[in-house]
Amino acid sequence: EAGVAQSPRYKIIEKRQSVAFWCNPISGHATLYWYQQILGQGPKLLIQFQNNGVVDDSQLPKDRFSAERLKGVDSTLKIQPAKLEDSAVYLCASSFSNTGELFFGEGSRLTVL
Amino acid sequence: QKEVEQDPGPLSVPEGAIVSLNCTYSNSAFQYFMWYRQYSRKGPELLMYTYSSGNKEDGRFTAQVDKSSKYISLFIRDSQPSDSATYLCAMIPPMGGSQGNLIFGKGTKLSVKP
Repeated sequence: EAGVAQSPRYKIIEKRQSVAFWCNPISGHATLYWYQQILGQGPKLLIQFQNNGVVDDSQLPKDRFSAERLKGVDSTLKIQPAKLEDSAVYLCASSFSNTGELFFGEGSRLTVL
Repeated sequence: QKEVEQDPGPLSVPEGAIVSLNCTYSNSAFQYFMWYRQYSRKGPELLMYTYSSGNKEDGRFTAQVDKSSKYISLFIRDSQPSDSATYLCAMIPPMGGSQGNLIFGKGTKLSVKP
């Protein structure tokens, strides 16, 4: 079974530039999550989708972050404009049911200079 | 006080040692407790999942929950170099929270030396 796919794996940008990350979840998983993991910290949920609807985006900085999940499959996370403190690994995860068993991708590592 | 506290380590042990990893939490309403393992430059993977107090064993791994003390532990017996990773405890917030909004500890970095 293919795992959660993410791209790009690494991205370096200047502050105030924009960046987009893509995620393809495990086939059949209705729930998709974007987590932010800052170096030395545990992952923090940014947004949760159930099919193509948003379940929880309470911790998403909506002035600069946006996410969408068209057709209930792939998802993109965008940051515009980026700040230095956005340097982190952005993890996409999916799950079959709402049990807390999440399957994570390898992450997209963002460095903002 | 943070909701979930975890000593970040690093923790270095010789191969074959018994490893004890711990987390404390502040909200007594937490009921579901997980341990995720994260290898360097990889995403976390679920290792153990427990509900309420008690022990759960899976091979060399034992997860223990003590709700009265708000304390959870992960024990690794006969540790191997392949166990070298960061171990993250995670909990599902009480009712009203999204089931996917796991509250993670900072993670403990473990190194098992051959």
